[in-house]
Amino acid sequence: GNSVTQMEGPVTLSEEAFLTINCTYTATGYPSLFWYVQYPGEGLQLLLKATKADDKGSNKGFEATYRKETTSFHLEKGSVQVSDSAVYFCALSDREYGGSQGNLIFGKGTKLSVKP
Amino acid sequence: DAGVIQSPRHEVTEMGQEVTLRCKPISGHDYLFWYRQTMMRGLELLIYFNNNVPIDDSGMPEDRFSAKMPNASFSTLKIQPSEPRDSAVYFCASSFGRSGNTIYFGEGSWLTVV
Repeated sequence: GNSVTQMEGPVTLSEEAFLTINCTYTATGYPSLFWYVQYPGEGLQLLLKATKADDKGSNKGFEATYRKETTSFHLEKGSVQVSDSAVYFCALSDREYGGSQGNLIFGKGTKLSVKP
Repeated sequence: DAGVIQSPRHEVTEMGQEVTLRCKPISGHDYLFWYRQTMMRGLELLIYFNNNVPIDDSGMPEDRFSAKMPNASFSTLKIQPSEPRDSAVYFCASSFGRSGNTIYFGEGSWLTVV
């Protein structure tokens, strides 16, 4: 079945450091891929998404590229800030893009702490 | 626009009591999802609706859980009787249209059963 595996945290970085959070997936067909962020005490917010191979999603300095050949969707940011401290979830849709809406299958989440 | 609205935000209840969680999706959205988040199991889908009709309830843990969507702007998740292992954050989410469209989450209902 479909699944998402992301690197376990916690990840602790200093401000302005480079961030990579690895995410790989198992799926049939061409699912859409997402990164969601959860700040303490809040719900999940969409950070970025990509709906087909080689698409790059980007938002707030974060980027991720849909790599079909390596079944990966790694999250990167060139210079993190204290305000980026949160839990990051990689997810895939269990339906192909443009089909009927399906469920989101989430990874376990990676907690990021950025120190000043 | 208002986002997905959930209530209550926090609830502490005693084992055996009935718990009702409420959700108002974003206006115009035709899909509604209920997720549960725990440390052990992460985020897992409980049930989702399309146009008020349940599509997949395979994630509902057992008969103690039930969900309804009487109209396009309201859904409930009920636990009766509640047990300590039901303690979790319950998220409602909604979306419009096709796969690949963004699913928007509420802020969650934080449930503690003692």
